[in-house]
Amino acid sequence: AQSVAQPEDQVNVAEGNPLTVKCTYSVSGNPYLFWYVQYPNRGLQFLLKYITGDNLVKGSYGFEAEFNKSQTSFHLKKPSALVSDSALYFCAVRDMGGSYIPTFGRGTSLIVHP
Amino acid sequence: NAGVTQTPKFQVLKTGQSMTLQCAQDMNHNSMYWYRQDPGMGLRLIYYSASEGTTDKGEVPNGYNVSRLNKREFSLRLESAAPSQTSVYFCASSEALELERYFGPGTRLTVL
Repeated sequence: AQSVAQPEDQVNVAEGNPLTVKCTYSVSGNPYLFWYVQYPNRGLQFLLKYITGDNLVKGSYGFEAEFNKSQTSFHLKKPSALVSDSALYFCAVRDMGGSYIPTFGRGTSLIVHP
Repeated sequence: NAGVTQTPKFQVLKTGQSMTLQCAQDMNHNSMYWYRQDPGMGLRLIYYSASEGTTDKGEVPNGYNVSRLNKREFSLRLESAAPSQTSVYFCASSEALELERYFGPGTRLTVL
């Protein structure tokens, strides 16, 4: 079975500071991992994914995520937050040895204060 | 490219009424999906279509039916709407089941 957890419902950060949105997962095989962003009243937008290779994945809008197999984590990061980064962020995981359908986390609301 | 389009954007139904949500994609994707989003519940998969001509149940299929009309279009039907189906519905598509999804703008449905 595959599962994903986003342990924080909300993350607050000041503009210009680094941000981290946490994601942990559980799979029996190797994971495919995804991050999506949802701006208010919009659909989700794909940010980045990890399938294999380099543990640091770079994506859209200056975001990156670090895959850590020993900690089963895939945290989303950005060196310098913008007010416009305020949105809902979703992590998703798929077990390569299991279902073809990724499971989504419940989402983390990121609020960047001016 | 328009990407994934959904109609309508908003809808209010009375309990027991029926309606169909329409979805189309112009990315030549093989797979299409219907999700619902509820506060605190994240995204839940209702139905999906791995390829043209196939449909399968997701996590929460009860009360819904789907039709993969062709490669571009995937509709979701509520035969007898219930207040528990009040939600925001998202259609999505992907090149393959295991790859990233591209989402439409959503339909906000209220059932009174």
